[in-house]
Amino acid sequence: SQQGEEDPQALSIQEGENATMNCSYKTSINNLQWYRQNSGRGLVHLILIRSNEREKHSGRLRVTLDTSKKSSSLLITASRAADTASYFCAHRGGSNYKLTFGKGTLLTVNP
Amino acid sequence: NAGVMQNPRHLVRRRGQEARLRCSPMKGHSHVYWYRQLPEEGLKFMVYLQKENIIDESGMPKERFSAEFPKEGPSILRIQQVVRGDSAAYFCASSPTRRQGSEKLFFGSGTQLSVL
Repeated sequence: SQQGEEDPQALSIQEGENATMNCSYKTSINNLQWYRQNSGRGLVHLILIRSNEREKHSGRLRVTLDTSKKSSSLLITASRAADTASYFCAHRGGSNYKLTFGKGTLLTVNP
Repeated sequence: NAGVMQNPRHLVRRRGQEARLRCSPMKGHSHVYWYRQLPEEGLKFMVYLQKENIIDESGMPKERFSAEFPKEGPSILRIQQVVRGDSAAYFCASSPTRRQGSEKLFFGSGTQLSVL
């Protein structure tokens, strides 16, 4: 399977703390993306990092990519209760159009 | 600018019936993807379509499932003779024509199919 894997599967933290989620994948990639899904809703794109980039920031989000280890991490700083959601990484390989998703990390931020 | 619209939001079918799921992509988007999600699982790719063409259906079961994206109207995912194992959330996503910025997907809210 080309599916990626996120860890941890579930993460529970207090508001204000940082949350780190990791993602591993198996194939070569063109880019890696992170999406967020609130319960019962569709996915929302958060951030994209290309294979030639090592780190990217967007607001309270920081993404790193290590292509030698085929892994990525998503850091959410100063978390809020509204950040409670499932977070998925997704990657695109040689086909350049099909996104392959991991199983996700369920983040719970307690007020 | 409306987002990706999927309907119905919930669909209940009895075993053996047909399920039709509709997806209208965002305005200006000509690429449509269908994904299936089981509880506490990630999204599994099913099919990728452009207007009037199926580009990749490698993730779609060979029997009972079909998809189309006609020149006019929404994309349709059709499941014939549904079985309980078809119960899942089905998500549609769209992206613009292939140019810079077309690499992310815009998702609809999904159709929850329940087979009794």
